[in-house]
Amino acid sequence: DAGVIQSPRHEVTEMGQEVTLRCKPISGHNSLFWYRQTMMRGLELLIYFNNNVPIDDSGMPEDRFSAKMPNASFSTLKIQPSEPRDSAVYFCASSLSGRAVDTQYFGPGTRLTVL
Amino acid sequence: QQQVKQSPQSLIVQKGGISIINCAYENTAFDYFPWYQQFPGKGPALLIAIRPDVSEKKEGRFTISFNKSAKQFSLHIMDSQPGDSATYFCAARRGGASKIIFGSGTRLSIRP
Repeated sequence: DAGVIQSPRHEVTEMGQEVTLRCKPISGHNSLFWYRQTMMRGLELLIYFNNNVPIDDSGMPEDRFSAKMPNASFSTLKIQPSEPRDSAVYFCASSLSGRAVDTQYFGPGTRLTVL
Repeated sequence: QQQVKQSPQSLIVQKGGISIINCAYENTAFDYFPWYQQFPGKGPALLIAIRPDVSEKKEGRFTISFNKSAKQFSLHIMDSQPGDSATYFCAARRGGASKIIFGSGTRLSIRP
């Protein structure tokens, strides 16, 4: 299996621009998670989906952030407009189900730099 | 509210030594405690995990010690090797929940 696939791996954009991050979970996995990692705040869960339905978006920092999962094999995280403080590494992870004992498999991440 | 506190922030250990990373949690509803390992440029990967009904779990050179009454758990890496150099995160999950609460991470460096 190819694992969780994220694109792009690196994104550099200017403040005010729209940014879209993409994720393809492991085939057969029903839960998908978006995380943000920064030096200051560590790893933060932004949102997670179960069977394509958003379950908990309490970690989404503000309305500029939105996430969708139109089908079981694809999800996007969009930031519009982007700001320099959004610079971080964004990880997507998937698990077989939403059970606590199910391992979350992380993708390689997208390093976002907003100038 | 930081629900999982991790220390130290960074750790340097000589090759062959024992690396010890400590974590403490607040929420007694947590019932699953995984440790993740992250290499530079990669996503975190599950290393080992424990439930609070056991006091210790060992997998190879990696051991989790768990103290339920103190609400503390720790990762021990025996015979530490340069290849163990990575950032380690402790974490906690509440029963029935998908959400993982991560500690702040420990950057471990093993000196040859």
